[in-house]
Amino acid sequence: QVQLVESGGGVVQPGRSLRLACAASGFTFGGYSMYWARQAPGKGLEWVALISYDGSNQYYGDSVKGRFTISRDNSKSTLYLQMNSLRAEDTAVYYCARDSLVVSLGVFDYWGQGTLVTVSS
Amino acid sequence: EIVMTQSPANLSVSPGETATLSCRASQSVNDNLAWYQQKPGQAPRLLMYGASTRATGIPARFSGSGSGTDFTLTISSLQSEDFAVYYCQQYNNWPPWTFGQGTKVEIK
Repeated sequence: QVQLVESGGGVVQPGRSLRLACAASGFTFGGYSMYWARQAPGKGLEWVALISYDGSNQYYGDSVKGRFTISRDNSKSTLYLQMNSLRAEDTAVYYCARDSLVVSLGVFDYWGQGTLVTVSS
Repeated sequence: EIVMTQSPANLSVSPGETATLSCRASQSVNDNLAWYQQKPGQAPRLLMYGASTRATGIPARFSGSGSGTDFTLTISSLQSEDFAVYYCQQYNNWPPWTFGQGTKVEIK
C-alpha cells in the first residue's frame, strides 16, 4: 500500500535551516508529482511546494519562495524540502502528499502523517 | 490567487442526521474542486474530486455537488467516524493550490 513517511522536523532557531525528507513506498515514486503542504497549529492547510515527477519543474507558495527548495531522488524514492531562513510563522506540521494523476495536477490523494517544525528562539 | 471560503465554520449535527457543508470560490473553478477530511492528529484524507467524484474507498453517504463558484459536500446518515474537519480545495488555477479554512463537524 502507499506509504509516505516524513522525517527531519524539530525545534530550530529563527534564521536557521532544516531539511525535511519524505520516504515513499508502495508505488512507482518516479511516476508521480509530489507536494509539500503545511498546517500551522490550530489552523488550516496551506500548499507549500510542488515538484514534477522527474524533478524538472518546481512551484512554490509566495510565503516560502526564495527560502525553501523542493527536490527529489527517484532512485531513493525520497522527497525533500530544504528550508532556509526560517521564521516563526513557518512553525507548522509539514506534510508530503502525492498527486493523484486523475487530473492535470492538484488532487492530493495520499498524505504522510506529517512532521512538526517549530521555529523558536 | 483564488480564495476559498467555507461555511459554516462549525456545524453541530446528531448522529444519523445529514450535514451540509458549503464552499465558495472567489472566481470560477469549473468543477476542479476537491474535498478532504481531517481527524484530530491525523493527516488529511481525500474524499472527493471533480466536485462530485468520490475517491477510492469513500462511502456513498458522502456526496458532492456544484460547479463554478458554489459547492456543497453532503454527508448523509452521519456516523461517529464522520465527525472531523472538512476542507475544500481548488485546482483550477494554479499555482497556488488553495484550501478553504475548514468546517468542523461536531456531535450535537
